[in-house]
Amino acid sequence: NAGVTQTPKFRVLKTGQSMTLLCAQDMNHEYMYWYRQDPGMGLRLIHYSVGEGTTAKGEVPDGYNVSRLKKQNFLLGLESAAPSQTSVYFCASSYSSPYEQYFGPGTRLTVT
Amino acid sequence: AQSVTQLGSHVSVSEGALVLLRCNYSSSVPPYLFWYVQYPNQGLQLLLKYTTGATLVKGINGFEAEFKKSETSFHLTKPSAHMSDAAEYFCAVTILTGGGNKLTFGTGTQLKVEL
Repeated sequence: NAGVTQTPKFRVLKTGQSMTLLCAQDMNHEYMYWYRQDPGMGLRLIHYSVGEGTTAKGEVPDGYNVSRLKKQNFLLGLESAAPSQTSVYFCASSYSSPYEQYFGPGTRLTVT
Repeated sequence: AQSVTQLGSHVSVSEGALVLLRCNYSSSVPPYLFWYVQYPNQGLQLLLKYTTGATLVKGINGFEAEFKKSETSFHLTKPSAHMSDAAEYFCAVTILTGGGNKLTFGTGTQLKVEL
């Protein structure tokens, strides 16, 4: 099993450009999550999904959109990138509560 | 809403010494608590978790943590540090809401192990 994979691993964007980050899991997990990690701030939840076709806002959702058209995939979109979105983005998945989350390797995004 | 406080953003220990990383939580209902480890340029890996039952939980790599309700703490310990333990450690809390198992993370503690 590959677990949780993320594409791409690195990306540099200019302000105003758009992009989509792809997360895929092969563990048949119901729940999926997108976090951002910034120095000294831990991980903060952007959006999450409790099942195919459902999404919900987390702690810091502004500037991001998500979609979960297939159970195994969770996409994070930036429609108009801003320098404040420079961060490391992690995807995670889990069975329903209260099981632990499994994390992907991360995507390092720089917005100039 | 639940929250987590990790005391000490950087902890330095000598190889072979006791490791103690502190975590205090706030929750209005019984919490579920986790410790994750992050090695450089990698994702987070679960060290251990407390859900219900025994309050002393053992994890991977010789780590353990004790849930103390009266102190609202879930400190992580390891009797003897190894160089390979150098990493960032995150404490996290969630509660059962039926709506997503959302984790709230602490800000992390960077552990340095010196010879």
